Amino acid sequence: DAGVIQSPRHEVTEMGQEVTLRCKPISGHDYLFWYRQTMMRGLELLIYFNNNVPIDDSGMPEDRFSAKMPNASFSTLKIQPSEPRDSAVYFCASSLGIVSGNTIYFGEGSWLTVV
Amino acid sequence: ILNVEQSPQSLHVQEGDSTNFTCSFPSSNFYALHWYRWETAKSPEALFVMTLNGDEKKKGRISATLNTKEGYSYLYIKGSQPEDSATYLCAFSDTGFQKLVFGTGTRLLVSP
Repeated sequence: DAGVIQSPRHEVTEMGQEVTLRCKPISGHDYLFWYRQTMMRGLELLIYFNNNVPIDDSGMPEDRFSAKMPNASFSTLKIQPSEPRDSAVYFCASSLGIVSGNTIYFGEGSWLTVV
Repeated sequence: ILNVEQSPQSLHVQEGDSTNFTCSFPSSNFYALHWYRWETAKSPEALFVMTLNGDEKKKGRISATLNTKEGYSYLYIKGSQPEDSATYLCAFSDTGFQKLVFGTGTRLLVSP
């Protein structure tokens, strides 16, 4: 299996621009997660989906952030307009159904810099 | 708000040294404790998932213990090697893996 695939791997954009991050989860996984990694706050859960439906978006920082999962093999995280404080590594992850001991599998991350 | 703390924040050891880190988490409503290893520019990789008090898990030179009553887990690396250099993250859940709360990690550097 190719694992969780994210794109772009690196993005540098100017403040105010729209940023779209993409994710392809592992085939067969019915949970998809978006995390953000910063030095100060570590890994924070932004939103997660189950069977393409958003279940909990309480971690989404503000209205500038939105996430969609139009089908089981694709999800996007959009930031509009972007701000310098959005600079971080954004991870997508996926997992199988609810079983004790299951773990989640991460992509390699999208490194975002907003200048 | 769940608070997961890891110590030390960073660690620099020599090749061959054994080392350990601590993860502290809320001791009430425990569900699972996860350990991940993250090398920069790569995917965080799951090391262990522990669910029972007293659990001990081992993977090669790396092992972990769990104390749910007092709310801590230790990760041990025996005979550290340069390739062990990475950030080690622990994550706690009180409801299942859907809501993992991560610590800020321990950054380990092993010098040859």
